[in-house]
Amino acid sequence: AQKVTQAQTEISVVEKEDVTLDCVYETRDTTYYLFWYKQPPSGELVFLIRRNSFDEQNEISGRYSWNFQKSTSSFNFTITASQVVDSAVYFCALSEANSGYALNFGKGTSLLVTP
Amino acid sequence: EAGVVQSPRYKIIEKKQPVAFWCNPISGHNTLYWYLQNLGQGPELLIRYENEEAVDDSQLPKDRFSAERLKGVDSTLKIQPAELGDSAVYLCASSSPRGSGEQFFGPGTRLTVL
Repeated sequence: AQKVTQAQTEISVVEKEDVTLDCVYETRDTTYYLFWYKQPPSGELVFLIRRNSFDEQNEISGRYSWNFQKSTSSFNFTITASQVVDSAVYFCALSEANSGYALNFGKGTSLLVTP
Repeated sequence: EAGVVQSPRYKIIEKKQPVAFWCNPISGHNTLYWYLQNLGQGPELLIRYENEEAVDDSQLPKDRFSAERLKGVDSTLKIQPAELGDSAVYLCASSSPRGSGEQFFGPGTRLTVL
């Protein structure tokens, strides 16, 4: 069963628009971590953020922000004032204590930002 | 500090041939992972090592895939014989001793089986 669901397969926005990438997860562990990774066309996975299950504070880093809500099992990612360089595939991932913290990835959301 | 190193970056082979991928994790990272990424999908775990011990290889197709991590540093993933469906990107990642931390990924090896 898919533990991480990224319902949006592809999103296309015009530069400077805000965009939110959705992530819903499923776990029975009380201790777990959530991640977002970016995979540009070059193929390398780039770490963006990690949150643990005990910290629901939202986080902002420049144009990026993350909204973690345990009540809805969601960990959404917003890019403000998108830029062409943001074009990539974005993966949400879950790691759980009972699986040795191996990453369980969603299928990814392909974001295209056009000028 | 050097990142995770993988080689080769690209490999093209004919079906039924053997192939091997090499990974050198970040220095001091005890945990090493091999992931498989099919086109249009997220990476999927194949095997996880803690030092030289394979602690989770439940997703590794053992009839044709094998892996080793001698001395708990470098790791090699082998496929013998390769099949058409093995065409994918093979990613290696490592993480710090805490295990729950960030995983650093290498650039991957893109395998094409003809």
